[in-house]
Amino acid sequence: DIQMTQSPSSLSASVGDRVTITCRASQGIKTDLGWYQQKPGKAPTCLIYAASSLQSGVPSRFSGSGSGTEFTLTISSLQPEDFATYYCLQHYDYPPWTFGQGTKVEIK
Amino acid sequence: QVQLRQWGAGLLKPSGTLSLTCSVYGGSFSGYHWCWIRQPPGKRLEWIGETTHTGNTKDNPSLKSRLTISIDTSKNQFSLRLSSLTAADTAVYYCARRPYSKPFDSWGQGTLVTVSS
Repeated sequence: DIQMTQSPSSLSASVGDRVTITCRASQGIKTDLGWYQQKPGKAPTCLIYAASSLQSGVPSRFSGSGSGTEFTLTISSLQPEDFATYYCLQHYDYPPWTFGQGTKVEIK
Repeated sequence: QVQLRQWGAGLLKPSGTLSLTCSVYGGSFSGYHWCWIRQPPGKRLEWIGETTHTGNTKDNPSLKSRLTISIDTSKNQFSLRLSSLTAADTAVYYCARRPYSKPFDSWGQGTLVTVSS
């Protein structure tokens, strides 16, 4: 299985801050990586696919980059509705598809 | 706009069998993989398995011996059965849609399944 490791596991930030979350794969996955946002009690929603492609309807303050084994999700200016947990997902090789452990973004 | 709605029993006993069904509204059934994903309390998401509209399935090897995923195209539904339950199977279970060569883009509302005697 391909292991996905996110850092940090949690962070505190203020509205307007620039936030960066990192995801590392245990082996190369080209650009087959997605990012998800999950709010408490809700299903995840897809923000980014193919490492840097913005899902339809997602605000442009979200962006993704990277290839191979290291990837980042950036929120350029954190908004109140962005406080949530973020997960990366490799969609390169399966079974199984594998997720990172999550990064919780909290209000400072 | 596709919608996925799922249902099934939420409280099950150890050694029992979990059974969940997901209905798909407002979208094509062909051209996608139809998936099950779970999230144990406080833990990461785990892909369980998936099927195509033709019934071609792929399972998580860690669950394969206990798992059955099936599809009923006449009802636009797909289902999950997981047998020999233990407390470790306690989780929120989600159905989801995955376009070919892309990650999951639509999800059901989730069902909390608790395994307890």
